[in-house]
Amino acid sequence: SQQGEEDPQALSIQEGENATMNCSYKTSINNLQWYRQNSGRGLVHLILIRSNEREKHSGRLRVTLDTSKKSSSLLITASRAADTASYFCATDARGSSNTGKLIFGQGTTLQVKP
Amino acid sequence: SQTIHQWPATLVQPVGSPLSLECTVEGTSNPNLYWYRQAAGRGLQLLFYSVGIGQISSEVPQNLSASRPQDRQFILSSKKLLLSDSGFYLCAWSVFSGGFYEQYFGPGTRLTVT
Repeated sequence: SQQGEEDPQALSIQEGENATMNCSYKTSINNLQWYRQNSGRGLVHLILIRSNEREKHSGRLRVTLDTSKKSSSLLITASRAADTASYFCATDARGSSNTGKLIFGQGTTLQVKP
Repeated sequence: SQTIHQWPATLVQPVGSPLSLECTVEGTSNPNLYWYRQAAGRGLQLLFYSVGIGQISSEVPQNLSASRPQDRQFILSSKKLLLSDSGFYLCAWSVFSGGFYEQYFGPGTRLTVT
């Protein structure tokens, strides 16, 4: 079953604006990851935040994690047309041991208009 | 550097025909391997994963099977395709590094069953 649920499902903004996507999950986690998928392509890892971290930055990306609410957000600042893609959160449930299994959400489709 | 290959990129098959999708990884040893299916506009559904040669775990009952004949080769098969097997199939690999598993995805195979 899908653990992560992103919202909104779709987001359309103008270039230069910020984009915020949210993810909720159900079980305890070791870490939460965000991936990006361009249309018709494989997923690419963007950023990981550990369960003991609250905020992390990477370039124009900012991720927050609230384990008490079992939620995370991904903020893309100063968006560009090239940021147009689908974004997925993924969690590795505690107890997944050496399998490395991730549970992906349904994704947020972001469109950045030039 | 590591590379993951998937082929074919697109495939159109009639109902009842067999299927064989292949995935190979280069540049790493003993990776965990995964097969996902993605319906249009949806998230990823984990189908199979493998932590070693000949070790296959199925996540959902279905018309598909997987095999890992070599350390870096993962094959998805079906004896008789159903219309519902249409979708975008993604192979991924991961290794434990830095305290977590990050997954690396192949380019995907678009399967249409007619």
